[in-house]
Amino acid sequence: QKEVEQDPGPLSVPEGAIVSLNCTYSNSAFQYFMWYRQYSRKGPELLMYTYSSGNKEDGRFTAQVDKSSKYISLFIRDSQPSDSATYLCAMKGTNAGKSTFGDGTTLTVKP
Amino acid sequence: NAGVTQTPKFRILKIGQSMTLQCAQDMNHNYMYWYRQDPGMGLKLIYYSVGAGITDKGEVPNGYNVSRSTTEDFPLRLELAAPSQTSVYFCASSYEGGSYEQYFGPGTRLTVT
Repeated sequence: QKEVEQDPGPLSVPEGAIVSLNCTYSNSAFQYFMWYRQYSRKGPELLMYTYSSGNKEDGRFTAQVDKSSKYISLFIRDSQPSDSATYLCAMKGTNAGKSTFGDGTTLTVKP
Repeated sequence: NAGVTQTPKFRILKIGQSMTLQCAQDMNHNYMYWYRQDPGMGLKLIYYSVGAGITDKGEVPNGYNVSRSTTEDFPLRLELAAPSQTSVYFCASSYEGGSYEQYFGPGTRLTVT
């Protein structure tokens, strides 16, 4: 079993839709939970991070972490065609340099 | 700052050839990483380094070697290239082990035929 499992997708939604992207994990030592966005033929870029449990909001994006269920989500409100990309969840412990990545979910937002 | 740079952008190798993928960062980061990303898949860690002179294996190190003689540079060496090494290779860096953010380069697309 993988340490991090990500809903595979792909997802295709109309512009303006609410999108939910999800990952589950098995390692209780994970404390940092990140979402990276990767446009086609580019390197990933950090979109949001959350430390421990709770919610974090940044504009149209909301990251949620439920450590009791070992489940994290990224919500995108009012999705735009410019949100079309692959979204990778990533997690790490407090001191460990290495992050563990999910396999990514490819999102297409149609105008 | 240029951030993380990688060369070359593209390369085609014949089976059995060798090559070095170059990676450099100008952010004075201690930690550097090499990943491969196969189509439709996530990032698999090949090797990482916590500082000059210190390297360690990731989850898929076979067929690769690394060195870290300076803080800035972290080259990845492929010996005896095989078709299974066809992939996109990303180099990344982070300030320290406790940092949550990794900064990625633009990637090198490698095809082995």
